[in-house]
Amino acid sequence: ETGVTQTPRHLVMGMTNKKSLKCEQHLGHNAMYWYKQSAKKPLELMFVYSLEERVENNSVPSRFSPECPNSSHLFLHLHTLQPEDSALYLCASSQDQRGGLTDTQYFGPGTRLTVL
Amino acid sequence: QKEVEQNSGPLSVPEGAIASLNCTYSDRGSQSFFWYRQYSGKSPELIMFIYSNGDKEDGRFTAQLNKASQYVSLLIRDSQPSDSATYLCAVKGRGSTLGRLYFGRGTQLTVWP
Repeated sequence: ETGVTQTPRHLVMGMTNKKSLKCEQHLGHNAMYWYKQSAKKPLELMFVYSLEERVENNSVPSRFSPECPNSSHLFLHLHTLQPEDSALYLCASSQDQRGGLTDTQYFGPGTRLTVL
Repeated sequence: QKEVEQNSGPLSVPEGAIASLNCTYSDRGSQSFFWYRQYSGKSPELIMFIYSNGDKEDGRFTAQLNKASQYVSLLIRDSQPSDSATYLCAVKGRGSTLGRLYFGRGTQLTVWP
């Protein structure tokens, strides 16, 4: 596997379900990110991790719970979601934990989530 | 609130023409600027970045930055139907946590044969 991978690619869940999204980066990067992309809206940053430490939580509801066990893996645990949480969830990674000028984020393919 | 504005389009150009995509940003302290391409149903992929005023060329793509006007653009020369996608402008602010990016809504480009 190369780059950034995400599983599952598609997920349908009920409002009472608990599920997890997984992201893995094979780039040797230090930072990982979760984004939400909804129709007609800009990409919304949800969480940022640097070397397994959460450094930003962008006012995300507690029904979304991130976990970063090591610098290559990132999870997003989901529980009691709402239909408005249906979106494309994208994981990204970057090399420079201090965010230098040229530090570039590379995205995974995303998980298309539908909440019924 | 740091705003990044793009015309949503759709922008439609014939094959072989130059496509011009524009982006303005509100934070004067922004330091570097990224263009991503996103095909329908796919994830964003990096085209190029720029952080110095002026032009930066990479193949058929040219990014132009004017910090005084808070304006960045992407030119695509010899446009091809395969360039049809949504183009996202992203801005990295001064002192951003871990290079936090602020994204525009994207401009949809259609290149017709």
